[in-house]
Amino acid sequence: AQSVAQPEDQVNVAEGNPLTVKCTYSVSGNPYLFWYVQYPNRGLQFLLKYITGDNLVKGSYGFEAEFNKSQTSFHLKKPSALVSDSALYFCAVRDRECSGNTPLVFGKGTRLSVIA
Amino acid sequence: SAVISQKPSRDICQRGTSLTIQCQVDSQVTMMFWYRQQPGQSLTLIATANQGSEATYESGFVIDKFPISRPNLTFSTLTVSNMSPEDSSIYLCSVSDIPNTEAFFGQGTRLTVV
Repeated sequence: AQSVAQPEDQVNVAEGNPLTVKCTYSVSGNPYLFWYVQYPNRGLQFLLKYITGDNLVKGSYGFEAEFNKSQTSFHLKKPSALVSDSALYFCAVRDRECSGNTPLVFGKGTRLSVIA
Repeated sequence: SAVISQKPSRDICQRGTSLTIQCQVDSQVTMMFWYRQQPGQSLTLIATANQGSEATYESGFVIDKFPISRPNLTFSTLTVSNMSPEDSSIYLCSVSDIPNTEAFFGQGTRLTVV
């Protein structure tokens, strides 16, 4: 079974400071990993994904994430936070060993608050 | 990428009634997924809808409560039947046609049952 853990319900950071939103995963095989952001009263927007290759992936709005297989982690990072980054962030996983196209499994979400 | 139009965007409904949510995709996709997001919580998969076959429901969700239609490769509906206040949630449709690509989401339907 696949699962995703986001250990922090809330992350607070000052504007201009680096931010990290943590994610660990569990799959029986190898993972496809994703980050999404949800702004108030909006659907989910895709930020970035890890499929294969370079462990550091870069995505939208200056976000990046590093795949760490030994720690089964895929933490989201940004060097300098903006107030407009304040939103709900979801990590998601799909087991690449599953045949066909299976739905994503989501973490519980982490609310990021960037303070001016 | 895929653009998904979902409607209604929000509704307030009386308990005991039903609401049908529509999801329209701008391209043909094999699989569509319906999720529920309860207030302050993560996304929970309700069912997977393939065109031409019955939807596959996750544990805790049944067809009588959440009937799904998938008449073609660009459209699906989810009905929330005999609603109670516990059904108040955001309902999202999603598509993802290739395993190593991201899933795309509609903007969600915010349902409040009173």
